[in-house]
Amino acid sequence: DTEVTQTPKHLVMGMTNKKSLKCEQHMGHRAMYWYKQKAKKPPELMFVYSYEKLSINESVPSRFSPECPNSSLLNLHLHALQPEDSALYLCASSQVPGHFAIAPLHFGNGTRLTVT
Amino acid sequence: DQQVKQNSPSLSVQEGRISILNCDYTNSMFDYFLWYKKYPAEGPTFLISISSIKDKNEDGRFTVFLNKSAKHLSLHIVPSQPGDSAVYFCAASGGNNNDMRFGAGTRLTVKP
Repeated sequence: DTEVTQTPKHLVMGMTNKKSLKCEQHMGHRAMYWYKQKAKKPPELMFVYSYEKLSINESVPSRFSPECPNSSLLNLHLHALQPEDSALYLCASSQVPGHFAIAPLHFGNGTRLTVT
Repeated sequence: DQQVKQNSPSLSVQEGRISILNCDYTNSMFDYFLWYKKYPAEGPTFLISISSIKDKNEDGRFTVFLNKSAKHLSLHIVPSQPGDSAVYFCAASGGNNNDMRFGAGTRLTVKP
């Protein structure tokens, strides 16, 4: 069982579609993260929210738009994606922003996104 | 710019033997290192970590060794079990503490 829940598990979308990925945790964690992982590549950090505020944006294209409505929820809004954006999108949370020595990341199972 | 490297994409060992997974890093600002384990269709799960002030950390069958001068760490699993078969990711953080960098992973297969 994972304590970070991501929906949907799979998503197929066209380049003109608008869709959203959702992530939820109820562990009281105050930092939430979006990672992107392509096959045989390391997870790459996209965004970090610390105490519901965006603290890191790793130069991600504007067709990806994160949102943190509250401390338990994290969304990733997708619009006008390209086929090369197809990847596994992983959400993670940690008890305290940074400070991985005391608060390692907890990952969800990911959303497998295919852009056609 | 891959700051954390796992040069072996795969490793196969016999049940009961030792598994050694290796990781190299380039950023001298990294001061905390973690290993994550990932089963298919699941997210990575935290396994074990080590601070740069230590050179060894042990947790049951899992031991992580850190060689700061060589910018190298390794994960030892003794004895290896078939249930250990998974992809293992090395990760590092430091400097900008809100960031964690991952290696590409090593797929471990433990044969019965």
